[in-house]
Amino acid sequence: GAVVSQHPSWVICKSGTSVKIECRSLDFQATTMFWYRQFPKQSLMLMATSNEGSKATYEQGVEKDKFLINHASLTLSTLTVTSAHPEDSSFYICSASLVGTNEKLFFGSGTQLSVL
Amino acid sequence: AQSVAQPEDQVNVAEGNPLTVKCTYSVSGNPYLFWYVQYPNRGLQFLLKYITGDNLVKGSYGFEAEFNKSQTSFHLKKPSALVSDSALYFCAVRFPFPRSNDYKLSFGAGTTVTVRA
Repeated sequence: GAVVSQHPSWVICKSGTSVKIECRSLDFQATTMFWYRQFPKQSLMLMATSNEGSKATYEQGVEKDKFLINHASLTLSTLTVTSAHPEDSSFYICSASLVGTNEKLFFGSGTQLSVL
Repeated sequence: AQSVAQPEDQVNVAEGNPLTVKCTYSVSGNPYLFWYVQYPNRGLQFLLKYITGDNLVKGSYGFEAEFNKSQTSFHLKKPSALVSDSALYFCAVRFPFPRSNDYKLSFGAGTTVTVRA
């Protein structure tokens, strides 16, 4: 089955620094990738939709200058948390859809970000 | 307003007993409905989906779900639960977007399932 690799699985950083999270579709091409954020004991909240070769579409309330998304190829999307603050600490998950299907998303294993 | 509701934060069952995780939705049109499972420290895994056709859909690990349009529900079920089924379960609905390839999902709050031996 389709595999989505997300890296790193966890990261600890100092407040004010930037952190990059990668999401790769290993055995398929993904024109669309999604980035979610999950707080403890809460559901996944969609942050943005990333389309290859174009600007990401951000959900209401998500700061695009803080959460930079780049989808440079059909197999890679990155989320960069800029000038991280402790309130950015969360579990971030990416997902990707198979080109030509409308049924199933494949999820990465997530990245636990802790900002000190 | 939340489009997907999982009314139970937690469900506790004994191993071997039936397991039901409830989900209701409030999306107009013909929704696509999904169930995902999240094991501790792992990403989401797809369980099953309803797109069209038979209201009873079967998925991975022995799970099934029944789409009920009149009750706008899509409850997840398993006839005989296993301890290994203990996890966090999410119901999700896809909004009926104009673009056919837009797969934006809206998730329910999640239900923690604990199956005791």
